[in-house]
Amino acid sequence: EAAVTQSPRNKVTVTGGNVTLSCRQTNSHNYMYWYRQDTGHGLRLIHYSYGAGNLQIGDVPDGYKATRTTQEDFFLLLELASPSQTSLYFCASSSNSQNTLYFGAGTRLSVL
Amino acid sequence: GDSVTQKEGLVTLTEGLPVMLNCTYQTIYSNAFLFWYVHYLNESPRLLLKSSTDNKRTEHQGFHATLHKSSSSFHLQKSSAQLSDSALYYCALSDRYGSSGNKLIFGIGTLLSVKP
Repeated sequence: EAAVTQSPRNKVTVTGGNVTLSCRQTNSHNYMYWYRQDTGHGLRLIHYSYGAGNLQIGDVPDGYKATRTTQEDFFLLLELASPSQTSLYFCASSSNSQNTLYFGAGTRLSVL
Repeated sequence: GDSVTQKEGLVTLTEGLPVMLNCTYQTIYSNAFLFWYVHYLNESPRLLLKSSTDNKRTEHQGFHATLHKSSSSFHLQKSSAQLSDSALYYCALSDRYGSSGNKLIFGIGTLLSVKP
Protein backbone atom coordinates (compact mmCIF):
# COMPACT_ATOMS: atom_id res chain seq x y z
CA GLU A 1 0.00 0.00 0.00
CA ALA A 2 1.27 3.42 -0.98
CA ALA A 3 2.25 5.63 1.93
CA VAL A 4 2.28 9.41 2.06
CA THR A 5 2.79 11.02 5.46
CA GLN A 6 2.17 14.67 6.20
CA SER A 7 3.17 16.68 9.23
CA PRO A 8 1.94 18.47 11.16
CA ARG A 9 -1.69 17.44 10.93
CA ASN A 10 -2.85 20.76 12.32
CA LYS A 11 -1.12 24.13 12.48
CA VAL A 12 -2.18 27.55 13.71
CA THR A 13 -0.09 30.61 12.95
CA VAL A 14 -0.51 34.36 12.83
CA THR A 15 -0.51 36.67 9.85
CA GLY A 16 3.07 37.19 8.71
CA GLY A 17 4.22 33.98 10.32
CA ASN A 18 6.56 31.42 8.79
CA VAL A 19 5.20 27.91 8.21
CA THR A 20 6.68 24.73 6.76
CA LEU A 21 4.52 21.77 5.86
CA SER A 22 6.27 18.45 5.40
CA CYS A 23 5.50 15.45 3.26
CA ARG A 24 7.27 12.12 2.99
CA GLN A 25 6.40 9.29 0.65
CA THR A 26 7.72 5.74 0.79
CA ASN A 27 6.30 4.67 -2.57
CA SER A 28 9.48 5.27 -4.57
CA HIS A 29 7.44 7.63 -6.71
CA ASN A 30 9.12 10.31 -8.78
CA TYR A 31 6.26 12.80 -8.67
CA MET A 32 5.07 14.71 -5.65
CA TYR A 33 2.41 17.41 -5.43
CA TRP A 34 1.00 19.98 -3.06
CA TYR A 35 -2.72 20.76 -3.31
CA ARG A 36 -4.99 22.97 -1.28
CA GLN A 37 -8.63 22.11 -0.77
CA ASP A 38 -11.23 24.84 -0.34
CA THR A 39 -15.01 24.66 -0.48
CA GLY A 40 -16.21 25.90 -3.83
CA HIS A 41 -12.78 25.50 -5.39
CA GLY A 42 -12.00 21.82 -4.97
CA LEU A 43 -8.40 20.67 -5.09
CA ARG A 44 -6.00 23.18 -6.59
CA LEU A 45 -2.38 22.46 -7.43
CA ILE A 46 0.18 24.71 -5.76
CA HIS A 47 3.52 23.17 -6.74
CA TYR A 48 4.81 19.82 -7.89
CA SER A 49 8.09 18.07 -8.53
CA TYR A 50 9.37 15.17 -10.60
CA GLY A 51 12.46 14.48 -8.56
CA ALA A 52 14.95 15.70 -6.01
CA GLY A 53 15.94 19.29 -6.68
CA ASN A 54 13.17 19.80 -9.25
CA LEU A 55 10.25 22.19 -8.81
CA GLN A 56 7.33 22.94 -11.10
CA ILE A 57 4.83 25.72 -10.64
CA GLY A 58 1.21 24.72 -10.26
CA ASP A 59 -2.00 26.66 -10.76
CA VAL A 60 -2.10 28.69 -7.51
CA PRO A 61 1.57 29.27 -6.57
CA ASP A 62 1.42 32.83 -5.22
CA GLY A 63 2.61 33.08 -1.64
CA TYR A 64 4.08 29.58 -1.60
CA LYS A 65 7.52 28.13 -2.08
CA ALA A 66 8.38 24.46 -2.22
CA THR A 67 11.50 22.37 -2.03
CA ARG A 68 12.14 18.72 -2.89
CA THR A 69 15.19 17.68 -0.91
CA THR A 70 15.13 13.96 -1.68
CA GLN A 71 12.95 11.61 -3.66
CA GLU A 72 10.99 10.99 -0.46
CA ASP A 73 10.62 14.52 0.95
CA PHE A 74 8.68 17.51 -0.34
CA PHE A 75 8.16 20.68 1.69
CA LEU A 76 5.74 23.56 1.29
CA LEU A 77 6.88 26.92 2.68
CA LEU A 78 4.73 29.88 3.58
CA GLU A 79 7.17 32.65 4.48
CA LEU A 80 4.63 35.40 5.18
CA ALA A 81 1.41 33.61 5.92
CA SER A 82 -1.87 35.39 5.20
CA PRO A 83 -5.45 34.56 6.27
CA SER A 84 -6.25 33.65 2.65
CA GLN A 85 -3.91 30.68 3.05
CA THR A 86 -6.12 29.14 5.69
CA SER A 87 -6.96 25.82 4.09
CA LEU A 88 -6.61 22.05 4.10
CA TYR A 89 -3.37 21.06 2.37
CA PHE A 90 -2.80 17.70 0.74
CA CYS A 91 0.42 16.16 -0.45
CA ALA A 92 0.30 13.43 -3.08
CA SER A 93 2.67 11.24 -5.05
CA SER A 94 2.57 9.31 -8.29
CA SER A 95 4.90 7.26 -10.43
CA ASN A 96 6.02 7.84 -14.00
CA SER A 97 4.07 4.92 -15.37
CA GLN A 98 0.87 5.17 -13.35
CA ASN A 99 -1.31 8.26 -13.34
CA THR A 100 -2.93 7.52 -10.00
CA LEU A 101 -2.31 10.00 -7.21
CA TYR A 102 -1.79 8.75 -3.66
CA PHE A 103 -2.70 11.34 -1.08
CA GLY A 104 -1.58 11.99 2.45
CA ALA A 105 -3.98 12.60 5.32
CA GLY A 106 -3.81 16.38 5.00
CA THR A 107 -2.63 19.33 7.08
CA ARG A 108 -5.20 21.80 8.33
CA LEU A 109 -3.64 25.28 8.49
CA SER A 110 -5.26 28.27 10.15
CA VAL A 111 -3.74 31.72 9.71
CA LEU A 112 -5.16 34.18 12.25
CA GLY B 1 -7.23 25.58 -21.09
CA ASP B 2 -8.38 22.25 -19.73
CA SER B 3 -11.24 22.28 -17.26
CA VAL B 4 -13.61 20.02 -15.34
CA THR B 5 -17.17 20.98 -14.42
CA GLN B 6 -19.17 19.45 -11.61
CA LYS B 7 -22.37 21.43 -11.54
CA GLU B 8 -23.78 20.06 -8.30
CA GLY B 9 -22.00 21.15 -5.16
CA LEU B 10 -24.31 19.11 -2.96
CA VAL B 11 -26.46 16.08 -3.71
CA THR B 12 -28.74 14.78 -0.99
CA LEU B 13 -30.35 11.36 -1.43
CA THR B 14 -32.38 8.88 0.51
CA GLU B 15 -30.73 5.52 1.08
CA GLY B 16 -31.61 3.03 -1.65
CA LEU B 17 -32.15 5.57 -4.41
CA PRO B 18 -29.84 5.69 -7.44
CA VAL B 19 -26.82 7.97 -7.49
CA MET B 20 -25.73 10.08 -10.42
CA LEU B 21 -23.02 12.70 -10.08
CA ASN B 22 -22.36 14.75 -13.17
CA CYS B 23 -18.97 15.52 -14.68
CA THR B 24 -18.15 17.23 -17.96
CA TYR B 25 -14.77 18.35 -19.17
CA GLN B 26 -12.96 20.38 -21.77
CA THR B 27 -9.60 19.49 -23.28
CA ILE B 28 -7.87 19.78 -26.61
CA TYR B 29 -6.18 16.41 -26.17
CA SER B 30 -7.73 13.31 -27.66
CA ASN B 31 -6.15 10.93 -25.12
CA ALA B 32 -7.79 12.39 -22.04
CA PHE B 33 -7.85 10.34 -18.86
CA LEU B 34 -10.83 10.88 -16.57
CA PHE B 35 -10.90 10.00 -12.89
CA TRP B 36 -13.26 9.92 -9.94
CA TYR B 37 -11.65 10.39 -6.55
CA VAL B 38 -13.57 9.97 -3.30
CA HIS B 39 -12.79 11.79 -0.07
CA TYR B 40 -14.39 10.42 3.08
CA LEU B 41 -14.37 12.63 6.16
CA ASN B 42 -11.10 12.42 8.09
CA GLU B 43 -9.49 10.21 5.45
CA SER B 44 -7.25 10.83 2.45
CA PRO B 45 -8.74 11.29 -1.00
CA ARG B 46 -8.36 8.11 -3.01
CA LEU B 47 -8.99 6.90 -6.50
CA LEU B 48 -12.42 5.38 -7.11
CA LEU B 49 -12.18 4.68 -10.82
CA LYS B 50 -10.61 5.95 -14.02
CA SER B 51 -10.91 5.59 -17.76
CA SER B 52 -9.49 6.72 -21.06
CA THR B 53 -11.50 4.39 -23.31
CA ASP B 54 -14.43 5.89 -25.14
CA ASN B 55 -17.84 4.31 -24.47
CA LYS B 56 -16.47 1.64 -22.12
CA ARG B 57 -18.10 1.19 -18.70
CA THR B 58 -15.66 1.17 -15.77
CA GLU B 59 -16.77 -0.24 -12.41
CA HIS B 60 -15.39 -0.31 -8.89
CA GLN B 61 -16.94 -0.80 -5.45
CA GLY B 62 -20.47 -0.67 -6.82
CA PHE B 63 -19.93 2.58 -8.71
CA HIS B 64 -19.62 2.85 -12.47
CA ALA B 65 -18.89 5.47 -15.08
CA THR B 66 -18.62 5.56 -18.85
CA LEU B 67 -16.42 8.01 -20.69
CA HIS B 68 -18.29 9.60 -23.59
CA LYS B 69 -15.89 11.65 -25.65
CA SER B 70 -18.65 12.82 -27.98
CA SER B 71 -20.31 14.68 -25.10
CA SER B 72 -17.14 15.15 -22.97
CA SER B 73 -18.81 13.50 -20.02
CA PHE B 74 -17.85 11.04 -17.30
CA HIS B 75 -20.83 10.78 -14.92
CA LEU B 76 -20.56 8.63 -11.80
CA GLN B 77 -23.46 6.29 -11.06
CA LYS B 78 -24.56 3.73 -8.54
CA SER B 79 -27.79 1.78 -8.56
CA SER B 80 -28.56 2.12 -4.87
CA ALA B 81 -27.08 4.66 -2.44
CA GLN B 82 -25.83 3.53 0.96
CA LEU B 83 -25.27 5.63 4.04
CA SER B 84 -21.55 4.83 3.79
CA ASP B 85 -21.39 6.49 0.35
CA SER B 86 -21.64 9.90 1.98
CA ALA B 87 -18.43 11.66 0.94
CA LEU B 88 -16.94 14.33 -1.29
CA TYR B 89 -16.49 13.14 -4.88
CA TYR B 90 -14.04 14.76 -7.26
CA CYS B 91 -13.96 14.36 -11.01
CA ALA B 92 -10.50 14.95 -12.48
CA LEU B 93 -8.85 15.17 -15.88
CA SER B 94 -5.36 14.36 -17.09
CA ASP B 95 -4.35 15.04 -20.63
CA ARG B 96 -1.42 12.66 -20.56
CA TYR B 97 -1.45 8.91 -20.40
CA GLY B 98 1.23 7.18 -18.36
CA SER B 99 3.77 9.84 -19.13
CA SER B 100 5.64 12.28 -16.99
CA GLY B 101 3.77 14.87 -15.04
CA ASN B 102 0.43 13.49 -13.94
CA LYS B 103 -0.90 16.93 -13.40
CA LEU B 104 -4.57 16.37 -12.66
CA ILE B 105 -7.16 19.06 -13.02
CA PHE B 106 -9.92 18.63 -10.47
CA GLY B 107 -13.49 19.81 -10.47
CA ILE B 108 -14.85 21.64 -7.43
CA GLY B 109 -16.23 18.42 -6.00
CA THR B 110 -19.75 17.16 -5.24
CA LEU B 111 -20.68 16.42 -1.67
CA LEU B 112 -22.96 13.39 -1.57
CA SER B 113 -25.10 13.14 1.53
CA VAL B 114 -27.14 9.95 1.93
CA LYS B 115 -29.96 10.03 4.48
CA PRO B 116 -31.83 7.11 6.06
